Amino acid sequence: RKEVEQDPGPFNVPEGATVAFNCTYSNSASQSFFWYRQDCRKEPKLLMSVYSSGNEDGRFTAQLNRASQYISLLIRDSKLSDSATYLCVVTLTGNQFYFGTGTSLTVIP
Amino acid sequence: GAVVSQHPSRVICKSGTSVKIECRSLDFQATTMFWYRQFPKKSLMLMATSNEGSKATYEQGVEKDKFLINHASLTLSTLTVTSAHPEDSSFYICSARPNPRASSYNEQFFGPGTRLTVL
Repeated sequence: RKEVEQDPGPFNVPEGATVAFNCTYSNSASQSFFWYRQDCRKEPKLLMSVYSSGNEDGRFTAQLNRASQYISLLIRDSKLSDSATYLCVVTLTGNQFYFGTGTSLTVIP
Repeated sequence: GAVVSQHPSRVICKSGTSVKIECRSLDFQATTMFWYRQFPKKSLMLMATSNEGSKATYEQGVEKDKFLINHASLTLSTLTVTSAHPEDSSFYICSARPNPRASSYNEQFFGPGTRLTVL
C-alpha cells in the first residue's frame, strides 16, 4: 500500500469554480503535512502547510483529518494561473518524506 | 530566504559519459539534502538522502555506484550520474532541509531541477 495516495485527475474546471482535492495517508504516526504546487517542467514549490485546526491563505484552504487520515485542499474562485499539479506531502520521523503522485488541475477560460 | 540552486539547469551528453549536478542551499545550512528524479507526467521518485559528512542513503533499486552522491559541506551536495545511458534521461531535482534549529525544519526547499538528456 502506498504511503500517500492522491487522485491524479485531471480536474478541468472553469474559471471561478471551486475545486477540492483529497489525499489519504496510511501511517497514523505521520507528523507533518504539506501541499506543494508543481508547474510543468518546474520544481515543486510549497503552497501551504496543513494543520489540524485547518488553515486558510486567500483562496486556498487546507484541512487535516487525523481520524480519517486525509488532508484536503480547497481552491475557491479558480484562476487560470492555478493550473498546475498539486502534490500532497506527508512526513514521518526524521527524513521520511512521502509524496503523492499529484493531482493535475487545468482551469479553463 | 531558503533558496536552493542547481547547476546545470540542462545538460545533453553522449552515452557513456559522466555528468555532475550540483545542489546548493544559498542562504541556509542544510544538514540533509534529497535527490529525486521525475519522468514526464510522473511523480517525484526519491533516489537518495544525503547527510553532510556521511554516506548517502539510497532508496531500493537505485544503484549507488551509478549515482554517486557527495555532501561535503552544509551547503553543497553533488550527484554524479556515471556512464550515463539514454534511460537515465530524466528531470533530476534536489531539495534541502534546514538544520534542526530552524523554524522551517520540517519543510523541504527544492532546487529548480536539472534536465538530463543522454543521446
